[in-house]
Amino acid sequence: NAGVTQTPKFRILKIGQSMTLQCTQDMNHNYMYWYRQDPGMGLKLIYYSVGAGITDKGEVPNGYNVSRSTTEDFPLRLELAAPSQTSVYFCASSYFLSSGNTIYFGEGSWLTVV
Amino acid sequence: AQTVTQSQPEMSVQEAETVTLSCTYDTSESDYYLFWYKQPPSRQMILVIRQEAYKQQNATENRFSVNFQKAAKSFSLKISDSQLGDAAMYFCAYRSAMDSNYQLIWGAGTKLIIKP
Repeated sequence: NAGVTQTPKFRILKIGQSMTLQCTQDMNHNYMYWYRQDPGMGLKLIYYSVGAGITDKGEVPNGYNVSRSTTEDFPLRLELAAPSQTSVYFCASSYFLSSGNTIYFGEGSWLTVV
Repeated sequence: AQTVTQSQPEMSVQEAETVTLSCTYDTSESDYYLFWYKQPPSRQMILVIRQEAYKQQNATENRFSVNFQKAAKSFSLKISDSQLGDAAMYFCAYRSAMDSNYQLIWGAGTKLIIKP
């Protein structure tokens, strides 16, 4: 019963490097999301997807890219990492028209850009 | 635009006692959903309780209950018989029923400290 799985859990990047945060869910959810959480703050939406092949920008998309080739996977790409991208990243998913309207979160990925 | 405000950056309570965390929100919509999420030191976000705005009855999940005051746009979380494992950040979140993209709007969080 894996739910939403994110990898890696911790990563240190140098300024200008690129990396991909992986996210996969096994609940057959239509909707997937990437959030970032800065210290002492709530979550901010980076990108979201309503189904395979469909993605859209959230509140803070600059510096990131996503793709959704399958229902299960929703990777987040960081290009040219900057210190401002130091944060905790959460992947999440939900059903369309879920009776509970509940969003399920992964365990988070700690990213430090130095 | 909708906003969610948690006015208590930090709260503390004695173990076994009751504590209430405040949340207010601003919206012009009549149909929406409200959530409380718990984030322990492990940083995983865990759903605590949810409330549908069209339901007058306050949601309850074991020791957790809400006081939903729609007219006042208030959504407080009451934790009864506080336990050490309840220590965490608690986030209030709002989602419009009109938003087919299921986007959540988050408060800044309240840190709950449990005193043994």
